[in-house]
Amino acid sequence: KNQVEQSPQSLIILEGKNCTLQCNYTVSPFSNLRWYKQDTGRGPVSLTIMTFSENTKSNGRYTATLDADTKQSSLHITASQLSDSASYICVVIFSGGYNKLIFGAGTRLAVHP
Amino acid sequence: DTAVSQTPKYLVTQMGNDKSIKCEQNLGHDTMYWYKQDSKKFLKIMFSYNNKELIINETVPNRFSPKSPDKAHLNLHINSLELGDSAVYFCASSLWGQSSYEQYFGPGTRLTVT
Repeated sequence: KNQVEQSPQSLIILEGKNCTLQCNYTVSPFSNLRWYKQDTGRGPVSLTIMTFSENTKSNGRYTATLDADTKQSSLHITASQLSDSASYICVVIFSGGYNKLIFGAGTRLAVHP
Repeated sequence: DTAVSQTPKYLVTQMGNDKSIKCEQNLGHDTMYWYKQDSKKFLKIMFSYNNKELIINETVPNRFSPKSPDKAHLNLHINSLELGDSAVYFCASSLWGQSSYEQYFGPGTRLTVT
């Protein structure tokens, strides 16, 4: 079954600290993996997109890694800011048939001052 | 400047009613989607339209009927609303073809059925 699992479910960190969010998936075949940020009451916004052949992709303070062999990805946030408080969703594109986005449940991150 | 817009943002209605949610995108995309985000926060694809033609229908009850009058609009009509339809519904759009094409999401419509 094509699934995306994320951990932890929620996380609280202090402003300025770093954190790493995890994503494990069983989607096959897949063409790319994305990380989205979803602020409360808003739609998801893309942070990074990686194809299966890429190992890492950065977007400012966000760095995503991908290990297609172990089917794992991580999102590392450096020097967190209060505005980083949001849900971070791992999305894997299932490429069998049509390009279908399969979403994880997200990690809810709270950055405290 | 709004890229993908949805109306209304909130919708509260009673069981059995019929309601519609509208979506518009000004990005020049040819493909639009409807997603449902349930209480567990998973987003799941419901429908996708490419150039006004239905290309994805993910076993959604036929009480849900999408309509695309043109490439920039994809509306969702729901008949005989049920309690289980309560969720946040997101519209999205993208270019069709490459799996790496970005999908842009609207702000969501929170539907509450009482």
